[in-house]
Amino acid sequence: EAGVVQSPRYKIIEKKQPVAFWCNPISGHNTLYWYRQNLGQGPELLIRYENEEAVDDSQLPKDRFSAERLKGVDSTLKIQPAELGDSAVYLCASSLEKFYEQYFGPGTRLTVT
Amino acid sequence: AQTVTQSQPEMSVQEAETVTLSCTYDTSESDYYLFWYKQPPSRQMILVIRQEAYKQQNATENRFSVNFQKAAKSFSLKISDSQLGDAAMYFCALYNFGNEKLTFGTGTRLTIIP
Repeated sequence: EAGVVQSPRYKIIEKKQPVAFWCNPISGHNTLYWYRQNLGQGPELLIRYENEEAVDDSQLPKDRFSAERLKGVDSTLKIQPAELGDSAVYLCASSLEKFYEQYFGPGTRLTVT
Repeated sequence: AQTVTQSQPEMSVQEAETVTLSCTYDTSESDYYLFWYKQPPSRQMILVIRQEAYKQQNATENRFSVNFQKAAKSFSLKISDSQLGDAAMYFCALYNFGNEKLTFGTGTRLTIIP
């Protein structure tokens, strides 16, 4: 069984540029999560999807961040425009029915210069 | 609100020895699970062990075991017979069934000395 797939693995952009991250969850997993992990910190939830619906986006900075999960499978997280403070690892995770049993992807390391 | 605290930013242990990583947490909920995750340089978070709060018996997975002290809100991870492949960041995490959130600590970087 393939795990959670994320791309790209690394991204370097200049501030004020847009950036997008893509996530393909484990097949059949209806719940998808985006986390941000700042250097030296643990992951923090940005948004949780159940199928196509964003059921918890309370921690998503909506002025510059957006996310979508079309057809309840793949998801894209976008930042526009990026700021220096957005440099972090962006992790995607998915789960089937048990929200505590989350499987994580390898993450995208974003560097904003 | 829930918090997870890991007070040891770094730990090191000789290969084949035993090491214990500490974690304390705080939650007002009674229904929760606790986890230890491993994050190697590849960045992928890997579940090491899980403890259900309602269980008194400490969880064990091969060389990994926990010491769960519910009254003290303490949840430590013991790694026996440490191996070079155990080198990674270790995160303690709490899943709260009330708000369905997984909260992580700040991590402990474990180094294995050959």
